[in-house]
Amino acid sequence: EPEVTQTPSHQVTQMGQEVILRCVPISNHLYFYWYRQILGQKVEFLVSFYNNEISEKSEIFDDQFSVERPDGSNFTLKIRSTKLEDSAMYFCASSGGGGYSYNEQFFGPGTRLTVL
Amino acid sequence: AQSVTQPDIHITVSEGASLELRCNYSYGATPYLFWYVQSPGQGLQLLLKYFSGDTLVQGIKGFEAEFKRSQSSFNLRKPSVHWSDAAEYFCAVGARSGGSQGNLIFGKGTKLSVKP
Repeated sequence: EPEVTQTPSHQVTQMGQEVILRCVPISNHLYFYWYRQILGQKVEFLVSFYNNEISEKSEIFDDQFSVERPDGSNFTLKIRSTKLEDSAMYFCASSGGGGYSYNEQFFGPGTRLTVL
Repeated sequence: AQSVTQPDIHITVSEGASLELRCNYSYGATPYLFWYVQSPGQGLQLLLKYFSGDTLVQGIKGFEAEFKRSQSSFNLRKPSVHWSDAAEYFCAVGARSGGSQGNLIFGKGTKLSVKP
């Protein structure tokens, strides 16, 4: 069964450093997402990506964040200068296309980011 | 604004007992509704979804949920809980934006513990 994969599973970084979280969505999916979950809190939407551009983003997704689909398989989230409050589990998700129908999002296992 | 409320933070049930996890939503149009389960250290797995049609939907692992428009609810049920069901359960609303795939809005989750 196809699945979304994410690397690394755990990333530890120093405050102010740049990190790149990587995701490989399901191969025939067209829509890609990043969510985050701060420990003990709910899962929050960050950004969605379609046709090589951002389609929606939340207020969390400020100028420190960027996303990219550098090739036909990877989808990355970059945090330019990490802050302590960026420590969270980051989930990638993907979904298929289909006009106006809403398709289920398939989630990866997450990358736990710890900022020291 | 769209929102999801899961009023129970933590529920404990005995193995073999029935289970109902509550979810209420606030959404301006016909909602797309989802239940996800998250085991410790794992990603989010889709249990079931409601898009339209029959208001009682069946999911994986013996779960079902009923959409009640008049109560703005989408409660998750299982007739007989197994120890392996211990996990955190998230209700989510799909937010549709024009013709694109919208983001998911999650509740804060309900942690389920199962007593032997």
